[in-house]
Amino acid sequence: GDSVTQMEGPVTLSEEAFLTINCTYTATGYPSLFWYVQYPGEGLQLLLKATKADDKGSNKGFEATYRKETTSFHLEKGSVQVSDSAVYFCALRLKAAGNKLTFGGGTRVLVKP
Amino acid sequence: GAVVSQHPSWVICKSGTSVKIECRSLDFQATTMFWYRQFPKQSLMLMATSNEGSKATYEQGVEKDKFLINHASLTLSTLTVTSAHPEDSSFYICSARLPGLAGYNEQFFGPGTRLTVL
Repeated sequence: GDSVTQMEGPVTLSEEAFLTINCTYTATGYPSLFWYVQYPGEGLQLLLKATKADDKGSNKGFEATYRKETTSFHLEKGSVQVSDSAVYFCALRLKAAGNKLTFGGGTRVLVKP
Repeated sequence: GAVVSQHPSWVICKSGTSVKIECRSLDFQATTMFWYRQFPKQSLMLMATSNEGSKATYEQGVEKDKFLINHASLTLSTLTVTSAHPEDSSFYICSARLPGLAGYNEQFFGPGTRLTVL
């Protein structure tokens, strides 16, 4: 079945460091891909998305490129801030699966000042 | 953006009792809401899709008689865990889909409810 695998955390970084969270997927079709972020005590929020191969999603300094050849959607940010501390979820959505979201396990990121 | 609330944020109950969790869309009407379950250090697993005015659609392996879902209005869906047991202890998250947008109808998530069954 469809699945999403992302690197386990926690990932601990210093402020202004470069962040990469790996995400790979398995799907029987051509999914749309998403990154969600969950700040402490809050619900998941859509961070960025890409709907087709080679699309790049970007928001708040974060970027991810839909790589069909490697079935990946890695999240990157060039210079993290303490406020980026959160749990990040990679997800896919397939029309053939009723547009349901399939999530990865989440990666906790802790940015220290 | 659209706001979804859940109540309660955490609940502790005795084994054998029932617990109701509410999910509300505060500033929009949601014809469709989703209920997820998250175990520690694991991903969110979709339990069911709740449609206003009709029966919920449950995912394979989810007991519909144990996890009762009611979506009686466009802003409220409830999940009742009946005869709860310790293995039902988990983090339950709801989301609501904003209707009327072309293409992807984004889901807005509630903050979750932590259920602990003693």
